[in-house]
Amino acid sequence: DAKTTQPTSMDCAEGRAANLPCNHSTISGNEYVYWYRQIHSQGPQYIIHGLKNNETNEMASLIITEDRKSSTLILPHATLRDTAVYYCIVRYIDSWGKLQFGAGTQVVVTP
Amino acid sequence: GAVVSQHPSWVICKSGTSVKIECRSLDFQATTMFWYRQFPKQSLMLMATSNEGSKATYEQGVEKDKFLINHASLTLSTLTVTSAHPEDSSFYICSANRGETEAFFGQGTRLTVV
Repeated sequence: DAKTTQPTSMDCAEGRAANLPCNHSTISGNEYVYWYRQIHSQGPQYIIHGLKNNETNEMASLIITEDRKSSTLILPHATLRDTAVYYCIVRYIDSWGKLQFGAGTQVVVTP
Repeated sequence: GAVVSQHPSWVICKSGTSVKIECRSLDFQATTMFWYRQFPKQSLMLMATSNEGSKATYEQGVEKDKFLINHASLTLSTLTVTSAHPEDSSFYICSANRGETEAFFGQGTRLTVV
């Protein structure tokens, strides 16, 4: 699976949009981009995933660049409960297996 | 939505004893489950892949005789930490796949060996 690069940390003001970047320059055409988050001392929580098109659900939006080498997770209105470590992961379509977690981005939402 | 449940949420055991952690998929069947370990301030590290009805596949460097995995049914996988030592103290997390695109995680088990 392709590797991902994320900033170590970022701060966000409550109520504002949080834009979390992820670089996956070696991604292949048959790899999905997944986002998970982990609140302290809990298991990871699924947020969203995509292949080529932008995706949106009740939690967030995922914007994937046309060349698919990077993506951005958008939390439209950050709340204090969104403080967590956010992981960007890529995996093969046909190899539904283990997820390899990188270091992720520590997001701190402040009042 | 789908739920994966782990039990117990935390456990304290004496050095040399064994501890069993259960991972259940509550509303779907999972032929494959995964076990991860997470040390403080670190990311999740995959330990093993648990396959229903067959032997688990362990990642390099993970002792299969120390971390026994049993996946006896389509909804239950267990991880037994045998002869636990303080260095085994960690946060253990399981996950289960549903279909081709969804992976759900348990809430984790905090193991402390004293």
